Order: sequence, then C-alpha cells, then structure tokens
Amino acid sequence: EVQLVESGGGLVKPGGSLRLSCAASGFTFSNAWMSWVRQAPGKGLEWVGRIKSKTDGGTTDYAAPVKGRFTISRDDSKNTLYLQMNSLKTEDTAVYYCTTARTFITMVQGVAVVQYYFDYWGQGTLVTVSS
Amino acid sequence: QSVLTQPPSVSGAPGQRVTISCTGSSSNIGAGYDVHWYQQLPGTAPKLLIYGNSNRPSGVPDRFSGSKSGTSASLAITGLQAEDEADYYCQSYDSSLSARYVFGTGTKVTVL
Repeated sequence: EVQLVESGGGLVKPGGSLRLSCAASGFTFSNAWMSWVRQAPGKGLEWVGRIKSKTDGGTTDYAAPVKGRFTISRDDSKNTLYLQMNSLKTEDTAVYYCTTARTFITMVQGVAVVQYYFDYWGQGTLVTVSS
Repeated sequence: QSVLTQPPSVSGAPGQRVTISCTGSSSNIGAGYDVHWYQQLPGTAPKLLIYGNSNRPSGVPDRFSGSKSGTSASLAITGLQAEDEADYYCQSYDSSLSARYVFGTGTKVTVL
C-alpha cells in the first residue's frame, strides 16, 4: 500500500524558513517523480513543484509564485522528499500535500510530450505564515 | 487565478446524473493536453478519480466518467450517492510561461 506522510508544518513569521518532509513507503521511491501541491484555507489546489527521479536527471521545476524561494530535494536512501521554504510570505499559508507524479507520454500538436498527474497523496501538513 | 474554470457548485438528488464542466483554452486543454480529475471529501486529502481524460484508477466506481472535447472537459457522476458529496477538481498542463500544472477552480457537489 502506498503511503505518504508529511511532517514539519507549523507557524512561522513572514520572512522565515521551514522545511517539510514526506516519508514514502509501499513503492519504489527512487524510481518515482514526486511533487508538492498546496491548498490555502478554503481555497483550491495549487501545484508547487516537482522533482524527477535521479535516473531521469533529478531536476526540479517550480510554479512561478515560489520559484527562487522554495527548493525540492530528495533522499532516496531514506525514501524521503523535502520542501525547503525560504522567505515565506503570508500568502504561502496552506496545507502542503506530497504527491507521486505518474508520468505518461502523449502527442500534443504532433510532438511527444511527457506529462504527469498526481496519483497518490499524503494527508497534508499545515503551514501558517503570520506575525 | 486559475486558467481552468469550473462551476462553483452542482447538486442532484440520489440516483440522478450530474456533470461538472472544466473550461480551458488553447494553451492547455485545447492544445491537446490531458485532463485529470480529483475528488476531495470533506476534511481529507484529494484522491485521483479520472486520469488521461477518461480512465478510472482501480477501485473507482464506474459511476464516474470523464470526457474531453475542444477546450473543455467534463466529469459525469451517474447514480449519485450521498458519499459523492465532495469537492471536485480538474487538472491539466498549460504551456504558457507562468503556468505549468494547473488545477480548476473546483466544484462542490451537493447531494440533496
């Protein structure tokens, strides 16, 4: 059974930092692309970023609102995903979900494109940015 | 502001059929990118409901179905049940510079 367990959330002041962790089990973590998705209180879902598996390059990609402030990393020896959040703003207040990112290839306008969807989700961890 | 627009709410009586639309544009759904759907029961994490426009993961009842046409996609729930009361989100990819993986605005389904 796939399990994703986030931890590390809490209250932090604007401008502060926080590191979230996501412990994974029930699948081969090292082969998986992983992602973070957040949800502000009473609002919809927002993609934060993703990291590829090391065999696929291990590169990261981020949504514009967090680019340059957030960093996703992974420790395959510990089956753990991380989200380092710096220069936090009040608008970063949200529940942060760790997800697996299931890849597939599709043809878009005649070009093969790798996409992914979020097939397994953790229970989430709440980050509150407030003075 | 999301680039995928959904109706804020839909409702139906038990046993009825409801549909949720997801309207995009030429840089996402209309460009040919796939649409996926997620169900979020009250107080819980989202769960994958439909992937690749119309495919159901194992364990998802066949009461749920998805389709895509042009710049829009739809999720249909037939034989509506009380346990289907939840928020539903569509998701796709957007090729514009600032977007990437985008979610719809979300739809609350109420079972009357």
